[in-house]
Amino acid sequence: GNSVTQMEGPVTLSEEAFLTINCTYTATGYPSLFWYVQYPGEGLQLLLKATKADDKGSNKGFEATYRKETTSFHLEKGSVQVSDSAVYFCALSEGKLIFGTGTRLQVFP
Amino acid sequence: DSGVTQTPKHLITATGQRVTLRCSPRSGDLSVYWYQQSLDQGLQFLIQYYNGEERAKGNILERFSAQQFPDLHSELNLSSLELGDSALYFCASSPNHGQGQGINTEAFFGQGTRLTVV
Repeated sequence: GNSVTQMEGPVTLSEEAFLTINCTYTATGYPSLFWYVQYPGEGLQLLLKATKADDKGSNKGFEATYRKETTSFHLEKGSVQVSDSAVYFCALSEGKLIFGTGTRLQVFP
Repeated sequence: DSGVTQTPKHLITATGQRVTLRCSPRSGDLSVYWYQQSLDQGLQFLIQYYNGEERAKGNILERFSAQQFPDLHSELNLSSLELGDSALYFCASSPNHGQGQGINTEAFFGQGTRLTVV
């Protein structure tokens, strides 16, 4: 079945560092891909999405490109802030959302 | 604010008991999804309802059941509770059933209900 694999955390960075969180997927069709973020004590919020190959989703300085040839949707940000500390989930849509295990990001001043 | 409302926010109950979690979807959304988030299992899809009908089923235990009412709100019923059922339960909604070419859409999540079984 369809699945999502993302890198283990935690990812620990200093403020203004470059962020990459890897995500790869397995799918039989052409699903939409998403990144969700969960701040402490809160629900999941949609961060960005891409609906077809080569689409780039972007929001709040975060970007991810739908790469069909490598079945990947890596999340990047050029300069992280302490306020970006959260758990990030990669997901694909096949009607319902299939989530990866989440990657905790900790950013220190 | 996602527009999805879940009640209650916290629930503490004893083993063997039954609880009901409630979800009101965003205005106009026809699909409701239930997810369980626990430390060891991550985010697990439980069940989806679309316009009152069960649409998809995931790793939902037989002790658990759900329904979606004509006003589109949904309830998740958990019975014969065990310690291992302690988790965060999220509801999400989306405008359509999300299947088929070109109609994959994101889901909007509520704040969750934290269930503690003691």
